[in-house]
Parts: sequence; structure tokens; C-alpha cells
Amino acid sequence: DAKTTQPPSMDCAEGRAANLPCNHSTISGNEYVYWYRQIHSQGPQYIIHGLKNNETNEMASLIITEDRKSSTLILPHATLRDTAVYYCINYGGATNKLIFGTGTLLAVQP
Amino acid sequence: KAGVTQTPRYLIKTRGQQVTLSCSPISGHRSVSWYQQTPGQGLQFLFEYFSETQRNKGNFPGRFSGRQFSNSRSEMNVSTLELGDSALYLCASSSNSGRLTGANVLTFGAGSRLTVL
Repeated sequence: DAKTTQPPSMDCAEGRAANLPCNHSTISGNEYVYWYRQIHSQGPQYIIHGLKNNETNEMASLIITEDRKSSTLILPHATLRDTAVYYCINYGGATNKLIFGTGTLLAVQP
Repeated sequence: KAGVTQTPRYLIKTRGQQVTLSCSPISGHRSVSWYQQTPGQGLQFLFEYFSETQRNKGNFPGRFSGRQFSNSRSEMNVSTLELGDSALYLCASSSNSGRLTGANVLTFGAGSRLTVL
């Protein structure tokens, strides 16, 4: 079973920031928080990951709470091409076994 | 550099047949994993190979099998196909050597869409 909980869907206006929440209350000390997204019928695409500090890259920012029980993925200026299912995953990194939940379908509206 | 390549992209089979799917990982990546995606069950882990050895296996029947070659290319096989095997089969590769590390990014291919009639 997935170890993370995400809302099933969210809407966002084009050009606005999209904030996608994730609860991972059972995360282990050695597990990172990873975010992937899947645009319709394509393979999942890596976005960002973090352990306990906030992270930023060219695609997004990741905010992790101090107790590490939840996180938020921020797409600063959403575009129509950001419409996808976003998956939050706890992952230790030792193997390539990812446990996907149902994710959040982000619909960016024009 | 080239990404993860999966072939064929689309295929149609009938019940009872068998199918072989191929995955070429990113150059230098020795870890390959396979996933099945269906509307009902979502994305589910099938198995993982590292240096030609199966390192991890998901909860799928024995009809699902795989292997990895010395050049890290991988194949998965499904025998005695059932209607429920219709799915998008995804392959992912990484440079993961098995040491515990968080910096292990999986790169996925575009998938092979299997339809069983």
C-alpha cells in the first residue's frame, strides 16, 4: 500500500502557483520525499526530491515540514503543459522499487 | 544522452499468447525496474534487476518474468496472456548501485501498451 496521501484532484489557473500537498506521516528517517508526474499515457517524470530541507530546482520547489510528516510541491507559474498526475513517494533509495499511490490530478485552466 | 527506450510501443495479443517486451536503459545505468499501469490498480512494481540479478519482485503471478543481459538491457515476458494483462508496461533505469542513498532518480521510458483481446 502507498505510504502517502494526496488529494485526488486540484485546479490551478494558468500563470498562478500550484501548491500540491502530500501527507506522509509514517515516513522513515532514511526515506526521502520524491515527486514524479505523469502526463497522459507517458512515463512518469522525475521532478524533485528532498530529505528534510526545502529544495528548489528549475521545475519546482519542495517544502517539507519540520516533523517531515507532510510536504508541498510548488510549481511557481503553472502552464497548460503542467496538467498531469503528480505522485508523492517516500523512498529510501536502496532499490528501484517505488510504491505509487493514486496521486493528484492537477488541471491547469486557461 | 538517449533516454530509456522501450519496444514495442504498442502491441495487440490474444488470450493465451505470450509477449516479450524490451527495455534499453540509459547508458551506464545498471539497475532496471518494471512497472505495470492499469486504470484499476494504478502503477504497480513488477520486478527489478541489477547486474543481471533479480533484486526485488512485486506481487505478480509467475506468468510474469524478466531478465537482464550483460549490457544492462532488460526484457520482461508474460506467458498465457489474460484480458487483465492489458496495461501500460513501464521500464525505469537508474545508476543505483544498491548502497543506501536518497539520491537515486529513476528515469522512465515511454512504455509499451499491451492490449489483450
